Amino acid sequence: QSALTQPPSASGSPGQSVTISCTGTSNDVGGFNFVSWYQQRPGKAPQLIIYEVTRRPSGVPDRFSASKSGNTASLTVSGLQAEDEADYYCNSYTGRSNLGVFGTGTKVTVL
Amino acid sequence: EAQLVETGGGSIRPGGSLRLSCAASGFDVSTSYMTWVRQAPGKGLEWISLLFSDGTTYYADSVRGRFTISRDNSRNTVYLQMDSLTAEDTAVYFCARSQSGSAYFPYFFDQWGLGSLVAVSS
Repeated sequence: QSALTQPPSASGSPGQSVTISCTGTSNDVGGFNFVSWYQQRPGKAPQLIIYEVTRRPSGVPDRFSASKSGNTASLTVSGLQAEDEADYYCNSYTGRSNLGVFGTGTKVTVL
Repeated sequence: EAQLVETGGGSIRPGGSLRLSCAASGFDVSTSYMTWVRQAPGKGLEWISLLFSDGTTYYADSVRGRFTISRDNSRNTVYLQMDSLTAEDTAVYFCARSQSGSAYFPYFFDQWGLGSLVAVSS
């Protein structure tokens, strides 16, 4: 299973929005509504911010939103804050009895 | 509050073996989907192993036949036995709890440990 494709980097000024794409195939992103997103700050463990394409775990700010169209999922961070500077990874379900696949990761810089 | 703490990482020669431990608190590993995810230096995340509550295991092709996931319910701890290590196994290894949500198979990770570094070098 090949890694999902994400842009290597994205950036925005404080208060602006940034959107990250995550492109897969009909065997993963496009075939199921089971995409999750993780934020990983430098030197830290990843943290779940989105699951089942659009759902936010409790405690995750509503500045984080996500969607999916066809084989591409997207994460939008609105009202960028300095603390949002991190690497972001998507992950998709790939079917029963298969370990899921992660995206290549996107480094978000707050200018 | 759920917490995971990995131990057992370190430097090892190619061909050697290492066992990572993941001590859980705040929840029961015996009734959870427990996994290991690794991250090579400067690289992305790779899901390498999964353990079901009934003992069923799954592995990525990159580690199948060399790595073994297991647990000790009495210690509420999950293990990753790593054999025949190569330089390509150099990574931070994260223990995580996985969930299935509405899916038929676990696919997302709601609790993560801080990770344990494994460095394979001659």
